[in-house]
Amino acid sequence: GQSLEQPSEVTAVEGAIVQINCTYQTSGFYGLSWYQQHDGGAPTFLSYNALDGLEETGRFSSFLSRSDSYGYLLLQELQMKDSASYFCAVSNSGAGSYQLTFGKGTKLSVIP
Amino acid sequence: EAQVTQNPRYLITVTGKKLTVTCSQNMNHEYMSWYRQDPGLGLRQIYYSMNVEVTDKGDVPEGYKVSRKEKRNFPLILESPSPNQTSLYFCASSLSLLAPTGRFGEAFFGQGTRLTVV
Repeated sequence: GQSLEQPSEVTAVEGAIVQINCTYQTSGFYGLSWYQQHDGGAPTFLSYNALDGLEETGRFSSFLSRSDSYGYLLLQELQMKDSASYFCAVSNSGAGSYQLTFGKGTKLSVIP
Repeated sequence: EAQVTQNPRYLITVTGKKLTVTCSQNMNHEYMSWYRQDPGLGLRQIYYSMNVEVTDKGDVPEGYKVSRKEKRNFPLILESPSPNQTSLYFCASSLSLLAPTGRFGEAFFGQGTRLTVV
């Protein structure tokens, strides 16, 4: 089966930088995605890494190391509206099945 | 506008009364799936479908059924709901795993259905 580990809660100051880590165990790994979910809302896609390295999208960056089964989401210039839950998710396939499996999420609180 | 539409948004029902939650997407996506979200447990996959007439169990399929007769629709059926199925449910769709790199990992979610079984 698959397993993903990420911190349950993180607190950071407005304007600062925060990194949310994700480690995973899975077979048939294709890539690592990140999603944001505000309270009461639906998850929304942030980024995807299939290859090692850093992907940057505005204030958000995502990193993957396939050899270490590890990735992280980096949020810069934090804003109050970034307070939300962040989920990592692995895409994997095996024995004819294809799944997108999510971690339990990290609740980010941005404080003034 | 590209979207995934779920109905209803809120539902309160009684134990044992069959119900269906509908899901429809307008992006011509091959892959569709259902998740349930419970506090502290994240999003857990119930069932998924790789294309029309192709469905498979996710991590928590017990007590649920699905069908995929058309590409755009993927209803979730609870034949005999029980209180432990009280949860927030999300439908999601994405391109297939064989799509250009990254597109499978980019899933679009519906607004969610909050189900309470009493």
